[in-house]
Parts: sequence; C-alpha cells; structure tokens
Amino acid sequence: GNSVTQMEGPVTLSEEAFLTINCTYTATGYPSLFWYVQYPGEGLQLLLKATKADDKGSNKGFEATYRKETTSFHLEKGSVQVSDSAVYFCALSTTGTASKLTFGTGTRLQVTL
Amino acid sequence: NAGVTQTPKFRILKIGQSMTLQCAQDMNHNYMYWYRQDPGMGLKLIYYSVGAGITDKGEVPNGYNVSRSTTEDFPLRLELAAPSQTSVYFCASSSPEGGNYEQYFGPGTRLTVT
Repeated sequence: GNSVTQMEGPVTLSEEAFLTINCTYTATGYPSLFWYVQYPGEGLQLLLKATKADDKGSNKGFEATYRKETTSFHLEKGSVQVSDSAVYFCALSTTGTASKLTFGTGTRLQVTL
Repeated sequence: NAGVTQTPKFRILKIGQSMTLQCAQDMNHNYMYWYRQDPGMGLKLIYYSVGAGITDKGEVPNGYNVSRSTTEDFPLRLELAAPSQTSVYFCASSSPEGGNYEQYFGPGTRLTVT
C-alpha cells in the first residue's frame, strides 16, 4: 500500500534560517506528491505539488522536487519567517484512486525572532 | 465562492449520543472526502464519494456513516459516539478535471466525546 514518512517535529528555527523538512514515500505506480500547510486553528491548504518525476513545485518561497530515484519530496525554504509557523504535511495520491490522499504525520515548524 | 464549509465548529457529545457533521461545497466538485485528524497521527480517510449516490469506505470507517444525495453536500453521521471518536474532522473536495488532484479542505469540526 501507499505510505508517507516525514521527519518528526517540532522544528524550531530562527527567522531567516534555512528550512528542510524531509519526506519519503512508498507507492504503487507513479504518484502525485503534495505539501499541505495547516495554520493554527485552520484547515489544510495546498502549498505546492508535483505530478511527475523531476518536477519542482514551488509557492511562497517554498520548493520541493519529485525525486523518483530516492522516492523523496523534501520541502525547502531559503529564509523562513515567523508567519511560516504551521504544521506541514507531505501527501501522495495515485491515479485511479479517486484522488485519495495518503498523508504523513505532519511536521510542526516554529519560527522565532 | 465559499469553498468547503463545515458545521458545527465545535461539539461535545456524551457517550452513546448521535450527531451529524455537515459539509457542503459550492465548487461543483464530484469528489468529496471525510478525514479525521488525531494528534501526531496525520489525517486518516474515513469515507469518500466520487459523485452523488456513490460512497465508499476509507481507512477508518467503523462507527461512521455517510450519504451523498447531492453534489454539494456530504454529511457524516456518528450513531453511537465513543471516546475514541474524539478528534478533529475535516471535509474536503476535489475535481479530477484537467488532471488537477488538489483537495480543498474545510475549516474542521472539533469533536469531544466524554
């Protein structure tokens, strides 16, 4: 079956630090990969996505590259801000499954001044 | 567009009580989903629907029921609430058109069963 493993949190960084949140996956076929973000008290929002190998998704300064050879989709940002404090979820979806998502457990990011 | 809306925002139930969590979307999406989010566990799929009149079980369906009589609405029913159902519930929708797999989430319902 499908599964997503992402690094444990919480991750605490100072503002302007570099962020990496690791995500690896196991899936049958060729999945689409996603990063969702959940701000305190809110639902999940799509942050970025990649639908095929070597695609790079990017949004709001965040980036992630679909690496088929390492089955990874690590999230990076060059300079985090306090407003980036949230929980980040890596997820995948495979074709023919009604776009159902399989989520990782989430990584809480806390950015301090 | 309001997107995906959920009611209520919060609810406390006693063991054995029943309730329905409401979910509606105004994006004309065919696909709809119910997830539960337990602390540190990510989201688990409860039920999903690919269109009006069609529903199917997800990963953790026990203790829940759903119906989909219209494209817009996808209510989740808890018949005999148990403490293990204390969680945050999220509804989501998506459309397969154009190969877009993005799911749009509602704000969630926080349920406590005591």
